[in-house]
Amino acid sequence: SYELTQPPSVSVSPGQTARITCSGDALSKQFAYWYQQKPGQAPVLLISKDTERPSGIPERFSGSSSGTTVTLTISGVQAEDEADYYCQSADSSATHSYVFGTGTTVTV
Amino acid sequence: QLQLQESGPGLVKPSETLSLTCTVSGGSVSSSSFYWGWIRQPPGKGLEWIGSIYYSVFYSGSPYSNPSLKSRVTVSVDTSKDQFSLKLSSVTAADTAVYFCARQRVYCSSTSCYGGDFDFWGQGTLVTVSS
Repeated sequence: SYELTQPPSVSVSPGQTARITCSGDALSKQFAYWYQQKPGQAPVLLISKDTERPSGIPERFSGSSSGTTVTLTISGVQAEDEADYYCQSADSSATHSYVFGTGTTVTV
Repeated sequence: QLQLQESGPGLVKPSETLSLTCTVSGGSVSSSSFYWGWIRQPPGKGLEWIGSIYYSVFYSGSPYSNPSLKSRVTVSVDTSKDQFSLKLSSVTAADTAVYFCARQRVYCSSTSCYGGDFDFWGQGTLVTVSS
């Protein structure tokens, strides 16, 4: 089955930059999306279509894409950014099938 | 503001069928711009897409599901109540999870449409499978 691979954890100091990667064979052909999830809460959409930031999402969150890897960058990390982060995309080998990444815990 | 709310039993016995309903307020499940989906998260683990459904006046509800769960999953929609539902049959302890319902945006190219991101989520409901 199709998989999106993320590093299990990223540790960053306040004010520094955190980068979270997501790798998958179909990412060069399919858009990726990013979510933030805090304990006991539902995920929140952070980035749409690789790079688009929905209304209300702080500018310090940005997305980029290169080949089969997409990256979420958090610039000027704040304590409140400590959370789990997931990428999501479509499985190009199966029509209308969607997959989430393995998830990354960001520790500030 | 769109809101989604999951409802259903919090405890299901092994081999039985898990049934959940998501009620949509501030919006309509009849909208052609969205799919309506189910995602789950076992305790301490990551997110897993279960299935989505798309409503069209031409063919009522068109469901899609995770290939790994497909034989056990039924997703349906009730436009009269602005609700969509999930049924997962033959459950085991491995199906214990928080179940979320969510709205999935639809994106279209010149030749086809496909599901994209999940932009609104319910709060989630814990379902435990145990005798």
